[in-house]
Amino acid sequence: GQNIDQPTEMTATEGAIVQINCTYQTSGFNGLFWYQQHAGEAPTFLSYNVLDGLEEKGRFSSFLSRSKGYSYLLLKELQMKDSASYLCAVKDSNYQLIWGAGTKLIIKP
Amino acid sequence: IAGITQAPTSQILAAGRRMTLRCTQDMRHNAMYWYRQDLGLGLRLIHYSNTAGTTGKGEVPDGYSVSRANTDDFPLTLASAVPSQTSVYFCASSDSTSGDNEQFFGPGTRLTVL
Repeated sequence: GQNIDQPTEMTATEGAIVQINCTYQTSGFNGLFWYQQHAGEAPTFLSYNVLDGLEEKGRFSSFLSRSKGYSYLLLKELQMKDSASYLCAVKDSNYQLIWGAGTKLIIKP
Repeated sequence: IAGITQAPTSQILAAGRRMTLRCTQDMRHNAMYWYRQDLGLGLRLIHYSNTAGTTGKGEVPDGYSVSRANTDDFPLTLASAVPSQTSVYFCASSDSTSGDNEQFFGPGTRLTVL
């Protein structure tokens, strides 16, 4: 079966750095996405990785290792507005997204 | 206003009733999707449409039907609602299914079936 695993919840301090991990087992791989979802709102796109390595976009970076079936999202200089759920999703061999359950990130002052 | 709209925002429905959730996008995207999101679970694909006139079944299609008569609209119908269909429903669209085409999401419909 297809499976995306990520921690249920993480807590971090404002101004700090946090790494949210995602491991996956899917039938085929056509890219990995990270989305942010604030409570009661729709998911919004953060990043896309299809090749191994690090993609940096401002305070957010995303890493991919296809051989390990592993990705992480790195958030730097945390702000209170970063409190949200972060969703990892893999595009499978049918080009459909398989979603993890999401990681709820709590930022403390 | 560019983006995806969904209606209604929320709805309480009696079991056994028929309900259609509406979704409209104005980005001229080819592909559209319906997901449900339940606490502790990832987004689960109900139905999708890769282009106008075609539809396909996702992971959890039972009890739901869709149509794609044109590019902009992708309604989701519950023929006879059951309490297990209580969920938040998101409609999404993308330019295509391949490559790095991100999916854009509507604001969601919160449905409660009693």
